[in-house]
Amino acid sequence: NAGVMQNPRHLVRRRGQEARLRCSPMKGHSHVYWYRQLPEEGLKFMVYLQKENIIDESGMPKERFSAEFPKEGPSILRIQQVVRGDSAAYFCASSPPNSGPPTFGSGTRLTVV
Amino acid sequence: AQSVTQLDSQVPVFEEAPVELRCNYSSSVSVYLFWYVQYPNQGLQLLLKYLSGSTLVESINGFEAEFNKSQTSFHLRKPSVHISDTAEYFCAVSHGNQGGKLIFGQGTELSVKP
Repeated sequence: NAGVMQNPRHLVRRRGQEARLRCSPMKGHSHVYWYRQLPEEGLKFMVYLQKENIIDESGMPKERFSAEFPKEGPSILRIQQVVRGDSAAYFCASSPPNSGPPTFGSGTRLTVV
Repeated sequence: AQSVTQLDSQVPVFEEAPVELRCNYSSSVSVYLFWYVQYPNQGLQLLLKYLSGSTLVESINGFEAEFNKSQTSFHLRKPSVHISDTAEYFCAVSHGNQGGKLIFGQGTELSVKP
């Protein structure tokens, strides 16, 4: 079991570009969560998805951020027109239905220059 | 609303000394409690969890935490730390029906010195 796979590990974008972060959950896990870790801060919940459904997006910024978890393929966190304040580590986690705490991936470190 | 407070942002300690990392939470409903560890440039690893039952939970590497409902605390302890325990430790809570939606504390950086 390869665990939660995130790619890329590091991503550099210029201001105004788009960032796409990918997450493949653990085998058998149908629930995906995205978290953001800003410098010197803890992790903040962003969004909770199941296949083809957004369950809870209460932590997502209202503009420029979107997430999807299609029937086939990885979950994608998309940030349009990135700004310097988007620089952070973005972590994906997954869990099976109704079962315990999630397993985290190694994260994608986004740097906006 | 739920919240988690980790009272110490940094804890320096000498090798083989005991350590306690403090965590307090606030919630109006029953919660599940977790400690995660993050080594430099890595993701979070679950260290231990309290879901129900015995209020004292232990990890395989010597850490333990005790759920204290009256004090709304879930402090993490280890009687004798190693250099390899140097990492950042996060306390987190969730409601049972919210699965992986966790509320994290700000983190405590544990630095073990020889």
